[in-house]
Amino acid sequence: EIVLTQSPGTLSLSPGERATLSCRASQSVSNNYLAWYQQKFGQAPRLLISGASSRATGIPDRFSGSGSGTDFTLTISRLEPEDFAVYYCQQFSSSLTFGGGTRVEIK
Amino acid sequence: QVQLVESGGGVVQPGTSLRLSCAASGFTFTSYAMHWVRQAPGKGLEWVTVISYDGSNKYYADSVKDRFTISRDNSKNTLFLQLSSLRAEDTAVYYCASFITTDAFDVWGQGTMVTVSS
Repeated sequence: EIVLTQSPGTLSLSPGERATLSCRASQSVSNNYLAWYQQKFGQAPRLLISGASSRATGIPDRFSGSGSGTDFTLTISRLEPEDFAVYYCQQFSSSLTFGGGTRVEIK
Repeated sequence: QVQLVESGGGVVQPGTSLRLSCAASGFTFTSYAMHWVRQAPGKGLEWVTVISYDGSNKYYADSVKDRFTISRDNSKNTLFLQLSSLRAEDTAVYYCASFITTDAFDVWGQGTMVTVSS
């Protein structure tokens, strides 16, 4: 099983700032089977990025994904008020696992 | 539009059973594998199980293997999860989800809460 480690656990930023979230895999994630989700309190997760870097339908271009192998990054170029939430990475290269999440909170 | 609606959650005692349902609409249910993902209160997401489009293949997380059973009724566009020998650590919101248009969970239900408590 591939273990995904997300860092930092919590990111405290102000609206307008840039957010950089990390997801590190214990083994290489093949075919870039790596996705990112946003979850707000009391809601189901929402897909942001699939294939490590492809934005899902309707996702603003301030969200971008990058990386390959074992190191992946989600970047939010300029935080909007609605972006403060918890973010999860997920892989299905080997079985299917989620990272522990990064909370982006208002500073 | 594409929609998944879970039902069947509730409060149950340890050691008992419960069956969850997920009604699908807005897409060709018979063409897609379906998953259950759960989230314990205040915790992260945990993949639970998947069933192939035709029900012929099923896979489970080690934490639920031999206790949970996934199934589907393609004639009714419905996914099921039979939970047995429930433990306190099974307390969670249970989501059904699927990969419809891309290689990731692009469709999720709203979730149904299962609480295991004496």
